[in-house]
Amino acid sequence: GAGVSQTPSNKVTEKGKYVELRCDPISGHTALYWYRQSLGQGPEFLIYFQGTGAADDSGLPNDRFFAVRPEGSVSTLKIQRTERGDSAVYLCASSRMGLQETQYFGPGTRLLVL
Amino acid sequence: AQTVTQSQPEMSVQEAETVTLSCTYDTSESDYYLFWYKQPPSRQMILVIRQEAYKQQNATENRFSVNFQKAAKSFSLKISDSQLGDAAMYFCACRTQGGSEKLVFGKGMKLTVNP
Repeated sequence: GAGVSQTPSNKVTEKGKYVELRCDPISGHTALYWYRQSLGQGPEFLIYFQGTGAADDSGLPNDRFFAVRPEGSVSTLKIQRTERGDSAVYLCASSRMGLQETQYFGPGTRLLVL
Repeated sequence: AQTVTQSQPEMSVQEAETVTLSCTYDTSESDYYLFWYKQPPSRQMILVIRQEAYKQQNATENRFSVNFQKAAKSFSLKISDSQLGDAAMYFCACRTQGGSEKLVFGKGMKLTVNP
């Protein structure tokens, strides 16, 4: 079946602008994760959804970052007033509900803030 | 809080040879999982192998195997018969049971396979 998809693949924006990054999880996967990967680093957790609700948003760096998953499938990560330090690859992963399930990752969105 | 450390930023191996990638971790949890993910230039993280901490037997997946030393909090990955397609960034990760089950990753290691 289809894997996790993310759009856009690349996004270039100017400092201060608003961006939205989209994640389409594997069909039937109820758990969805967002991670941020800065250059030369491993991915860092941002937020976790179980169904429609954000069960853990402890990784969001500040209130400029927000994510939604209104119907329990597609999720959108929203970044307001972008800063150059927000430049990174944003990875989305999904897994089936329940413990011990493997997280499957999408190809990521590379965000560049000029 | 969990931490994962990969102290070798880069390694190289000759095709068909064996290479071992090291990883250490720290967690106060008793129930956790350990993973090795591969990230080629396409950016997509691909699961290589996973190990449940409660299992004493080391996990094996074809040419990939781990050496899990729970007391030492060490989790190394051995790649046998290295292939050109194994060239990628490799990330070690830890996940605890319960809660959000988020993954905590190391900084990664770049593996080069020489023909």
